[in-house]
Amino acid sequence: DAGVIQSPRHEVTEMGQEVTLRCKPISGHNSLFWYRQTMMRGLELLIYFNNNVPIDDSGMPEDRFSAKMPNASFSTLKIQPSEPRDSAVYFCASSYRVVETQYFGPGTRLLVL
Amino acid sequence: DQQVKQNSPSLSVQEGRISILNCDYTNSMFDYFLWYKKYPAEGPTFLISISSIKDKNEDGRFTVFLNKSAKHLSLHIVPSQPGDSAVYFCPHNTDKLIFGTGTRLQVFP
Repeated sequence: DAGVIQSPRHEVTEMGQEVTLRCKPISGHNSLFWYRQTMMRGLELLIYFNNNVPIDDSGMPEDRFSAKMPNASFSTLKIQPSEPRDSAVYFCASSYRVVETQYFGPGTRLLVL
Repeated sequence: DQQVKQNSPSLSVQEGRISILNCDYTNSMFDYFLWYKKYPAEGPTFLISISSIKDKNEDGRFTVFLNKSAKHLSLHIVPSQPGDSAVYFCPHNTDKLIFGTGTRLQVFP
């Protein structure tokens, strides 16, 4: 298995631009998670899906952030408009069930200028 | 509401010695406890877990201890190796995993 795949690995954009991060979970996994890592707050859970349905988006910082999971093999995290404080590493993870071991992707390093 | 706390942000240990990483928790309803390890520029990886009905689980150089009366969880790495240098998380599992900032372990030669 290829593991969790994230793209792009690096993204540099200017403030105000739309950013879309992509994730392909491990085949057969039913739960998908989006995390953000910063120095100050560590690894924060933004949102998670179970069977393609958003279950908890309480970690999404504000309305500029949105996430979708149109099918079992693909999810996006979108920031519109982006701001410099959104600069962080964004991880996607998947698991068979919500409370089971999560497998993380390599992350997307986002820099908003 | 931080239900699991890693009170030491960093730890430095000499190669070959024991590394002990600690977590304190408040919720006695957790079913099991997890440890994840994270290298720079990589996603976290699962390391070891322990069920709440046990007090010890061992996997090679890694042993996790659970003290339910003290609500304390610890990870022992013996002997420590430079490749163990990473950030270690003990996320708690209610309906989701909460990771926090972790403990940065540095193993020096």
